[in-house]
Amino acid sequence: GQSLEQPSEVTAVEGAIVQINCTYQTSGFYGLSWYQQHDGGAPTFLSYNALDGLEETGRFSSFLSRSDSYGYLLLQELQMKDSASYFCAVPNNAGNMLTFGGGTRLMVKP
Amino acid sequence: DAGITQSPRHKVTETGTPVTLRCHQTENHRYMYWYRQDPGHGLRLIHYSYGVKDTDKGEVSDGYSVSRSKTEDFLLTLESATSSQTSVYFCAISESGGRSGTEAFFGQGTRLTVV
Repeated sequence: GQSLEQPSEVTAVEGAIVQINCTYQTSGFYGLSWYQQHDGGAPTFLSYNALDGLEETGRFSSFLSRSDSYGYLLLQELQMKDSASYFCAVPNNAGNMLTFGGGTRLMVKP
Repeated sequence: DAGITQSPRHKVTETGTPVTLRCHQTENHRYMYWYRQDPGHGLRLIHYSYGVKDTDKGEVSDGYSVSRSKTEDFLLTLESATSSQTSVYFCAISESGGRSGTEAFFGQGTRLTVV
């Protein structure tokens, strides 16, 4: 099966940079995805890494190290609207379902 | 926005009653999923479907059944609701199942309370 570990909560101030880590265990690996969920809302897709390295999309970047079974989401120039929960996810070995980590609740303070 | 809708959005039901939640998509995506979300547990997969009449169990399938008679509809049934099934239920759809990084699109969720 798959399992993913991420911190339950992170706090940062507006304008700062924050990194949310994710370690995973899976028998087969396709890639690591990240999703954002605001309170009361639905999860929405942020990024996907299949290869080692950093992928940048505006203020958000995602990093993957396949050899370390580790990835992180980097949020720069934090804004209040970034306060949300962030989930990492991996497909199962057959590639037909996603398993999610427990989520990291990010609180951005003024 | 991806065309995925869940109904009902909110429901209160009594212990022991059957409940069916509906997920409808207009994207013609092959894969459909039901997740439940509870504080401290993130998103846990209940059942999923990889085609019409093709379904499989997820991590927390006990007490739930599903059916997919058409590409666009995926039903989740609680045969006899219990208080432990009080949760927020999300339906999701995906073109590839996640293997190629294709994103999963989520419905707005159904808040179910079993009293």
